[in-house]
Amino acid sequence: NAGVTQTPKFRILKIGQSMTLQCTQDMNHNYMYWYRQDPGMGLKLIYYSVGAGITDKGEVPNGYNVSRSTTEDFPLRLELAAPSQTSVYFCASSYSQGVDGYTFGSGTRLTVV
Amino acid sequence: AQSVTQLDSHVSVSEGTPVLLRCNYSSSYSPSLFWYVQHPNKGLQLLLKYTSAATLVKGINGFEAEFKKSETSFHLTKPSAHMSDAAEYFCVEWNQAGTALIFGKGTTLSVSS
Repeated sequence: NAGVTQTPKFRILKIGQSMTLQCTQDMNHNYMYWYRQDPGMGLKLIYYSVGAGITDKGEVPNGYNVSRSTTEDFPLRLELAAPSQTSVYFCASSYSQGVDGYTFGSGTRLTVV
Repeated sequence: AQSVTQLDSHVSVSEGTPVLLRCNYSSSYSPSLFWYVQHPNKGLQLLLKYTSAATLVKGINGFEAEFKKSETSFHLTKPSAHMSDAAEYFCVEWNQAGTALIFGKGTTLSVSS
């Protein structure tokens, strides 16, 4: 049982480049989330999804896009990378909406230079 | 707006002494509350959760937390710190009015020998 798998673990991007952070879960969870973590700021919600085909913005969605074509996968797209997007990104999933907490992936450390 | 306040950004203790990490939540609904731990360069691990059952919640590695509605607090404690407890700790809230987990800014726990 792999849980939530994120790839890549590390990435360096140049300003203006684009990339997709991959997230997949094998627990048949309907709910999936993307957070970013910045030092001293905790985790901020970027986007979330309540099921295949349904996504919505979180607290800090600007500069990002998501899609949810299957229950298992929830990729996060950065179209024009900016230094402000340097962060650690965590994907998470849950069976219920949040009452029992989430299962987190191991994170992707992204640096934009 | 829903918020979680971790009252200390950094706590330092000596090995073998008690640990207290303080957290206040803001929800007027019945919340679910969690403590997550993040060791350096690692993902987030669930320590314990409160979901309206017993107000004293026991978690992994000897940690426990007490839900106090009158004080809107959910402080994390451990009787005796171990070097391996050095990490960042996040207090997290979810309530029925929210869409996703809300994270505090985190408390870094340092343990000295």
